[in-house]
Amino acid sequence: QITLKETGPTLVKPTQTLTLTCSFSGFSLSSSGMGVGWIRQSPGKGLEWLARIDWDGEQHYRASLKGRATITKDTSRDQVVLTVTNVDPVDTGTYHCVRSRADREYQYYYYIDVWGEGTTVTVSS
Amino acid sequence: DIQMTQSPSTLSASVGDRVNITCRASQSISRWLAWFQQKPGKAPKLLIYKASTLESGVPSRFSGSGSGTEFTLTISSLQPDDFATYYCQQYNSYFGPGTKVEIK
Repeated sequence: QITLKETGPTLVKPTQTLTLTCSFSGFSLSSSGMGVGWIRQSPGKGLEWLARIDWDGEQHYRASLKGRATITKDTSRDQVVLTVTNVDPVDTGTYHCVRSRADREYQYYYYIDVWGEGTTVTVSS
Repeated sequence: DIQMTQSPSTLSASVGDRVNITCRASQSISRWLAWFQQKPGKAPKLLIYKASTLESGVPSRFSGSGSGTEFTLTISSLQPDDFATYYCQQYNSYFGPGTKVEIK
């Protein structure tokens, strides 16, 4: 059974750094074609794809994060960490950790197949 | 950036109805599209990937079609468990705004 669980602060002040950890089980991020990423959901903006790190260490980011986000993996601990610097109230939302799988034929294309339940983060002074 | 739109935004239907939800991309995305179902307070669940491939364990009343810029999610006979919000997503990128399927 594949599970992903998000942990992190519930409240962060504007300009501070947000660090979220995804702890997963049931698969290995060392396996070819695997990826783990983050999705944010908020009432105002809906679902937003934020970032993904692949089995080979390649990182992908939403352009609008403008260099504020960093995604890293610790394969030995089955964890992925998302760091977002200089947060703003618009970063408020529920952050879901997701597993992604590469298409069997075209390995560049990944799709989300499993979601964590999410953790809610509020950015406010 | 490729923008995703969905129609309708809300759909009222009865159990047993055939339901179609449309997703459009602002430029061609080939078949790189997934559909998700979300119920209140829960995480989204994958239904369809690569535009028309049914995820394992998903009931066969769900189907997907389309390529390029226009895609459709069809529920052949709506069941009580299907009342939810449905999202399309371009692989690795943007989601549509969602379609809420309500009880008529």
